[in-house]
Amino acid sequence: EAAVTQSPRNKVAVTGGKVTLSCNQTNNHNNMYWYRQDTGHGLRLIHYSYGAGSTEKGDIPDGYKASRPSQENFSLILELATPSQTSVYFCASGGQGSSYEQYFGPGTRLTVL
Amino acid sequence: GDSVTQKQGQVTLSEDDFLFINCTYSTTTYPTLLWYVQYLGQGPQLLLKVTTANNKGISRGFEATYDKGTTSFHLQKASVQESDSAVYFCALVNNYAQGLTFGLGTRVSVFP
Repeated sequence: EAAVTQSPRNKVAVTGGKVTLSCNQTNNHNNMYWYRQDTGHGLRLIHYSYGAGSTEKGDIPDGYKASRPSQENFSLILELATPSQTSVYFCASGGQGSSYEQYFGPGTRLTVL
Repeated sequence: GDSVTQKQGQVTLSEDDFLFINCTYSTTTYPTLLWYVQYLGQGPQLLLKVTTANNKGISRGFEATYDKGTTSFHLQKASVQESDSAVYFCALVNNYAQGLTFGLGTRVSVFP
């Protein structure tokens, strides 16, 4: 069974603070993704990666950075968190040539006060 | 760019009712269309996919079909159960490794 884990599961941050969301996958997938989920907007792609060392901008990258130090790990970084970044964040992994088969983690609920 | 429209925000049903959810899409490429299901407190999980090659997908009693003429695709189930209560998303596969374009989701509530 594919496994994607995220940490932390819940996070409260202050405006202007730095937040790092972590994702680990044991699927040996090349591709990894970060989405945010908001009522009225569904799931939106923030950043994605083709493999270790690569990061690409998705549809809504402003205010976010990503880091892919290894095949297994993909982080989402908010250098200066704002209340508008309060959301639920999902990480997903997908194998090469089958990008539709994305396996999602359980999500991180981030609240920025 | 690619887009998906899912207009039904919420559907309330009784057990054994028929479920039908519709999405329309816009893309310049041959579409691969997906349905994801998200149970409370979990991440989305793939339920079905439909391509131009197969026109139909079936899984767990759900059936997904697509209509190229109207650029729409549908999810249906003949007889829902309370355990089918979840949010259902349609999604379009965009360019390789650029993720998925999701609809807004339909919250399905099934009551005994």
